[in-house]
Amino acid sequence: KNEVEQSPQNLTAQEGEFITINCSYSVGISALHWLQQHPGGGIVSLFMLSSGKKKHGRLIATINIQEKHSSLHITASHPRDSAVYICAAGSNNNDMRFGAGTRLTVKP
Amino acid sequence: KAGVTQTPRYLIKTRGQQVTLSCSPISGHRSVSWYQQTPGQGLQFLFEYFSETQRNKGNFPGRFSGRQFSNSRSEMNVSTLELGDSALYLCASSLGTSLGETQYFGPGTRLLVL
Repeated sequence: KNEVEQSPQNLTAQEGEFITINCSYSVGISALHWLQQHPGGGIVSLFMLSSGKKKHGRLIATINIQEKHSSLHITASHPRDSAVYICAAGSNNNDMRFGAGTRLTVKP
Repeated sequence: KAGVTQTPRYLIKTRGQQVTLSCSPISGHRSVSWYQQTPGQGLQFLFEYFSETQRNKGNFPGRFSGRQFSNSRSEMNVSTLELGDSALYLCASSLGTSLGETQYFGPGTRLLVL
């Protein structure tokens, strides 16, 4: 079992839909990161969380430390949101553990 | 500010050769982390350098090594290349430790080992 599990693996949505991507982890963490990777490989850091909730534009990230679970929400999804979203745990062992990623496709 | 740069962007090597990849962090950032991304294993942490010291290392063989210079630029080296080393190698920089701060990723170096 991976130490960082993401679901779903693939997600197709219609433009305008509300999207949720989930991440569960089994390691102790100092912070939980959400990353976005577009075709071609470039990675952008979306959020870094150690507690609570953060919002940036149409993106919202939450974390529940007790349940070791984080979610990434996208409101009013748009085709430009199509990308792979990766959850990464900055573990207490001083390394980073990555989920396998969620491939999101938003259709117009 | 200029972003994180990596050179070269593409590289083709043959088995048994060695390779050195370079990463220049955002000005003022003292931490550089390296990652390997393959279709089969996804993203994996290689190592992190902070102020010229390796802070932590992922589960990779000793053929993978790195260093950081006083200007925070970092290099990683892979010796005795194997076919399985074909991957996208990404570096990321941050002000402090990569684990608890926002990381800024470079475009990556795509390595193909023949």
